[in-house]
Amino acid sequence: AQSVTQPDIHITVSEGASLELRCNYSYGATPYLFWYVQSPGQGLQLLLKYFSGDTLVQGIKGFEAEFKRSQSSFNLRKPSVHWSDAAEYFCAVASSGNTPLVFGKGTRLSVIA
Amino acid sequence: GAVVSQHPSRVICKSGTSVKIECRSLDFQATTMFWYRQFPKQSLMLMATSNEGSKATYEQGVEKDKFLINHASLTLSTLTVTSAHPEDSSFYICSAGSQTPNIYGYTFGSGTRLTVV
Repeated sequence: AQSVTQPDIHITVSEGASLELRCNYSYGATPYLFWYVQSPGQGLQLLLKYFSGDTLVQGIKGFEAEFKRSQSSFNLRKPSVHWSDAAEYFCAVASSGNTPLVFGKGTRLSVIA
Repeated sequence: GAVVSQHPSRVICKSGTSVKIECRSLDFQATTMFWYRQFPKQSLMLMATSNEGSKATYEQGVEKDKFLINHASLTLSTLTVTSAHPEDSSFYICSAGSQTPNIYGYTFGSGTRLTVV
């Protein structure tokens, strides 16, 4: 069965600092990989996704993620964090195009001045 | 881009009543709809998968008679919480699957906050 691990429950960064959120998955083949962001009381917004091809994926809001097959990782990065980035971030995987997502437990990002 | 419209966004109901939540794919055909539940400060847990025109597949531990899912068309899926109780209070969110997942797949509705009093 697939699983997703987000090792960091809570991360605090200073505004303007760089950010990396970690995500590791367990799956026999290359899954479809996603990062979502959720603000309190809101739904999920897709930041980026990886299906195939270039392993460095650009997303919205200045985020990017890199798929590393050898490490079974799909870490999310942003070079300069803004206060509005404070939210919950979820990494998710799917085994194929019409199967449900398996979510990590999420990483809560706090941004300080 | 792909849009999934979910209504209502918030609902408060009395214990023992039923509540229907709708998810519509606005600009594509959702051959599959996934229904998730999220408790406060937790991740999303899959409740069930529905395919247009067929019965939903429920995850282990999810009561199919309490959470009725209907996927009558390629653009509409509904979740009905029957005989709701306070422990059913949660955030419910749908996600559409499609035959072109790299374009339309994995778009989420905005979620429904259900409070049972």
